[in-house]
Amino acid sequence: DAGVIQSPRHEVTEMGQEVTLRCKPISGHDYLFWYRQTMMRGLELLIYFNNNVPIDDSGMPEDRFSAKMPNASFSTLKIQPSEPRDSAVYFCASSFFRNTGELFFGEGSRLTVL
Amino acid sequence: SQQGEEDPQALSIQEGENATMNCSYKTSINNLQWYRQNSGRGLVHLILIRSNEREKHSGRLRVTLDTSKKSSSLLITASRAADTASYFCATVRVLTQGGSEKLVFGKGTKLTVNP
Repeated sequence: DAGVIQSPRHEVTEMGQEVTLRCKPISGHDYLFWYRQTMMRGLELLIYFNNNVPIDDSGMPEDRFSAKMPNASFSTLKIQPSEPRDSAVYFCASSFFRNTGELFFGEGSRLTVL
Repeated sequence: SQQGEEDPQALSIQEGENATMNCSYKTSINNLQWYRQNSGRGLVHLILIRSNEREKHSGRLRVTLDTSKKSSSLLITASRAADTASYFCATVRVLTQGGSEKLVFGKGTKLTVNP
C-alpha cells in the first residue's frame, strides 16, 4: 500500500484566499484524522471521521475551517478565507478499527499564508 | 495543555550511546504510544503499550510504563545518526465534556545523534 497520501505538499497563498488540502487514507482504514502542527501549539487534532462520518470536530478552530469525507478514499480540509495564523503543517492520518490505536500519517501539507 | 509532556525538550548524544526520553501524563489512560518524526516528514508509529503492561521491546527500543507515577520512558539503545528525529508520546484523552476519546500528542523531544 502507498500509505496515506496528501496533496499539495506545499502551498503558499495570500490572506483571504481559499485553501483546499486533500487526503487519501489507507484502503480499508475506518478512521481518518486531520491534525495541525505548529511550533507553538504542537500537534492538534482538528477533526476525525469514522466510516466517512464526522465524529468530533471540536478541534476545528473556527467556522473558516471545514472538512468533508465524501467517500472512504478521499477527504478535504478547506480554509476560507485563509489568514496568516493558519500557517502550519496539516497532517492527515488514518487508522484501522479504532480511533485510539496506531495512526498512519501522511507526509503533511505545509501551508504558508502571506 | 497537552496530555503527554515529554522530557527533555531536546537531547544531544554521541552515536553508540543510549537515549532516554520521558513522558508524563495527567489522567488515566488505556494505552500510550510513541511516534517518531523526521524533519519535514510525517509521524511514524513506533510502539504502543497498554495500561496493563509495564514494559515492551521492539528492536533497539524499550518502552516502560508506570501507571502509578503516570509516566513512560522510551529508551533507544546503541543510537545511530539515523535516529536523529523528534519523538512524541501520545495518550488517549477526552478533551471536551461529552466529547469522544481521542489521541493527544505531547510536544516532543528533539533527539540529535552525533556521528
